[in-house]
This record gives sequence, structure tokens and C-alpha cells, in this order.
Amino acid sequence: DIVMTQSPDSLPVSLGERATLNCKSSQNVLHTSNNKNYLAWYQQKPGQPPKLLIYWASTRESGVPDRFSGSGSGTDFTLTISSLQAEDVAVYYCQQYYSAPITFGQGTRLDI
Amino acid sequence: EAQLVESGGGLVQPGGSLRLSCAVSGFTLSNYWMSWVRQAPGKGLEWVANINQDGSQRHYVDSVKGRFTISRDNAKNSLYLQLNSLRAEDTAVYYCSRVPGGYSYYDAWGQGTLVTVSS
Repeated sequence: DIVMTQSPDSLPVSLGERATLNCKSSQNVLHTSNNKNYLAWYQQKPGQPPKLLIYWASTRESGVPDRFSGSGSGTDFTLTISSLQAEDVAVYYCQQYYSAPITFGQGTRLDI
Repeated sequence: EAQLVESGGGLVQPGGSLRLSCAVSGFTLSNYWMSWVRQAPGKGLEWVANINQDGSQRHYVDSVKGRFTISRDNAKNSLYLQLNSLRAEDTAVYYCSRVPGGYSYYDAWGQGTLVTVSS
């Protein structure tokens, strides 16, 4: 199984600041046949289901604010929130869909 | 807009069974793979099972193989998860989710239904 490790576990930030969340996979999730990274990011607020933010490592889901961006390739990935808003307080998960079983990271909690 | 509504959760004793349902609207169920993902209290997300558009392909995480069965009824716009031989470690919120392209990420989620396994 591919193990997804996120860092840090918790990230205190201030409103308007930039937040950088990291995700590392134990195996490469870049498919050479299509040059796509099989990596997604989700946001989960308390009492709510996860919400898709980013897929293919850097493609923003429709309706997601452009302050959210994804980057990275292979085994190392980053979710960046350019200017933190109060509504961004949540837990963020990365997920690989390169190989079975689909696996998630343990989450990074973003606190203000 | 896609809507997914789970039901069927509750309190069950170890060794017991439950059937979860997910009613969908706002999209054509038969066009999509679907999944169940669970989240134990205060913990992270765990993929449980996938099913393809016509139900001919089903995949499970190792920990539930032989105990859980995923199924669907496209005519009724519904997805199901039969949970048998339940264990304490199966306690979680179970989410149904839409898979936009085969083995993939999840672009729509229900609100979840809580399954508690306890004596």
C-alpha cells in the first residue's frame, strides 16, 4: 500500500498569511503514460464531509477560490493557501489514487 | 448539483449487521463509479469499497473483505453497503462518494451516516 504522510500535523497561521501544507507519498504517484500525478487534496470542516479542492496534483476543482493551489510531482506535494481567510480553518487531507488501495494522509489541521 | 444522502446507520452489537443506503440526485448514477469512505471518530479518512457503473466490478479494502458488500440500483438512484460481522473497529461515519473517472478522486460526498458497534 502507498503510505501518505502529511506535515505538519497542525499549523497555526494568522489571517492573511500564506499557509503551506506538505504531503509525501511512499511511492511515486506520477503515471509516465500520461504525465499525471494521481494526487488530490480535500478540505474538511468540523461536522462536514470532505470537499474536493485539487486533483491531478494541481487542477483546482470548479468553484474553489484561486487562493488554493497545488504543486509537486512524484512523491512530494504541496497545498498552498496564499492568503488565509477565517473560513479556511479546517483539516486538509491528501489522497493518492495511483494504485489500490486508495489511501489518504493523516491530515493537517489548520488553526488561526 | 449532485446530492447524496446516506441512511441506515445506528448502534449495533459486535457480530451484527446493518445495511447502509445512499440516495443520489442531480446526476445520472449509471454514469459513475461510486465509493464508500469511512471516518472513525476523531480520525482520518479510509476508503472502504468501490463499484463500477453496472456493478460488475467491486473492490474492497482488505479489512472488510468477506464482511461488507457494496451494491447499487441505478434505476432507484441508490448505492448500498451491507455490513456483516461488525467489529468495534468498524465504528465510523460512512460517506458515500462519487468517483468521476474510474479509480479516482471523489468529487461529491454525502453528509455521512454514523455506525456504532458496541455491546
